Amino acid sequence: DSGVTQTPKHLITATGQRVTLRCSPRSGDLSVYWYQQSLDQGLQFLIQYYNGEERAKGNILERFSAQQFPDLHSELNLSSLELGDSALYFCASSVGPGGDYGYTFGSGTRLTVV
Amino acid sequence: GENVEQHPSTLSVQEGDSAVIKCTYSDSASNYFPWYKQELGKGPQLIIDIRSNVGEKKDQRIAVTLNKTAKHFSLHITETQPEDSAVYFCAASRPTGNQFYFGTGTSLTVIP
Repeated sequence: DSGVTQTPKHLITATGQRVTLRCSPRSGDLSVYWYQQSLDQGLQFLIQYYNGEERAKGNILERFSAQQFPDLHSELNLSSLELGDSALYFCASSVGPGGDYGYTFGSGTRLTVV
Repeated sequence: GENVEQHPSTLSVQEGDSAVIKCTYSDSASNYFPWYKQELGKGPQLIIDIRSNVGEKKDQRIAVTLNKTAKHFSLHITETQPEDSAVYFCAASRPTGNQFYFGTGTSLTVIP
């Protein structure tokens, strides 16, 4: 157990729908990062929050949004889902605003859009 | 932005042999290079990292080397064991460190 908790583990939904993925960071970590892992794109950075504020944005689609709550858990919202959004979504956390001491990843949420 | 290339994409070795995975990066400002191991059904796990002010780092059977001039870094696993079988990812990060740029992964199989 890495200490980063992601729910749900698996999610199957239809095109056009909206889903919410949840992440609780490791105790004491203030940063949360979201990554998408697909077979053809590898691990792609989506977005980072640090202590409740958005800190960095990567290749996140406008249909996707995220937030970090006062208790530091984070949610990734994916809307108007397309078949191509099927992927593993990982959350990672770190103590500070940068990941230069490494991230701790959760076990991921496998999203299947049918 | 940063571009990280990783080779080989698949690697099979006999138990007890060594395995080497190589990565190159493009951004000379990158200064932090972690390696992650991902087992089936799990998230990536940090196994070793190196910073640009260091040329080599070892942790038991695992070592990482960095050549800043050539912009490449490598993971070396000695005395491989079946439990080393997994997908290994290299990554690079700039001093601001907000995001990691990952390589495309190497699927390592250790044959008993």
